[in-house]
Amino acid sequence: KQEVTQIPAALSVPEGENLVLNCSFTDSAIYNLQWFRQDPGKGLTSLLLIQSSQREQTSGRLNASLDKSSGRSTLYIAASQPGDSATYLCATGANSKLTFGKGITLSVRP
Amino acid sequence: EPEVTQTPSHQVTQMGQEVILRCVPISNHLYFYWYRQILGQKVEFLVSFYNNEISEKSEIFDDQFSVERPDGSNFTLKIRSTKLEDSAMYFCASSVFEQYFGPGTRLTVT
Repeated sequence: KQEVTQIPAALSVPEGENLVLNCSFTDSAIYNLQWFRQDPGKGLTSLLLIQSSQREQTSGRLNASLDKSSGRSTLYIAASQPGDSATYLCATGANSKLTFGKGITLSVRP
Repeated sequence: EPEVTQTPSHQVTQMGQEVILRCVPISNHLYFYWYRQILGQKVEFLVSFYNNEISEKSEIFDDQFSVERPDGSNFTLKIRSTKLEDSAMYFCASSVFEQYFGPGTRLTVT
């Protein structure tokens, strides 16, 4: 059974800092990995999808990498802004479902 | 930009009552999903639906749950006899490859 872990549970950084959010998973037999953003009480916004054959994907200030063999993914956020404050979830995809981590709640201080 | 929509945004019901949660997936998507998130916990997969049938379901998705695509645009989740522990945020998603989530329906069972 796939287990997805995100540590730490919360992170606070000053504005402008570059940061890395980590995600680990136990079963490397995945089709893809997806990173989401969730604002309090809201739905999930897809940020990046990495297919299993890919190593990384980039969108604006975000870059996500995937290392299936070690069961790890990272989300790199460049030049963080207060508007980046949210919970970031990673989820592995296999067959027809996503398995989620609990998320990392990021606070970017002005 | 196309998006997944869900109604209602908040539903309050009494224990033992039936509820139907509604979703309109993105129009050219082929796969449809329901997930739930109990307050403070991970997002959990319930069921996936493709080609007018269930393709996968979790152990949470017992006989009290059912899904339907009644008219080619809507996708519904029915809970026949709600329990207190069904209180959660329910998310609908749709995909071709990348899963896009709706804003959720907050279900409160009293």
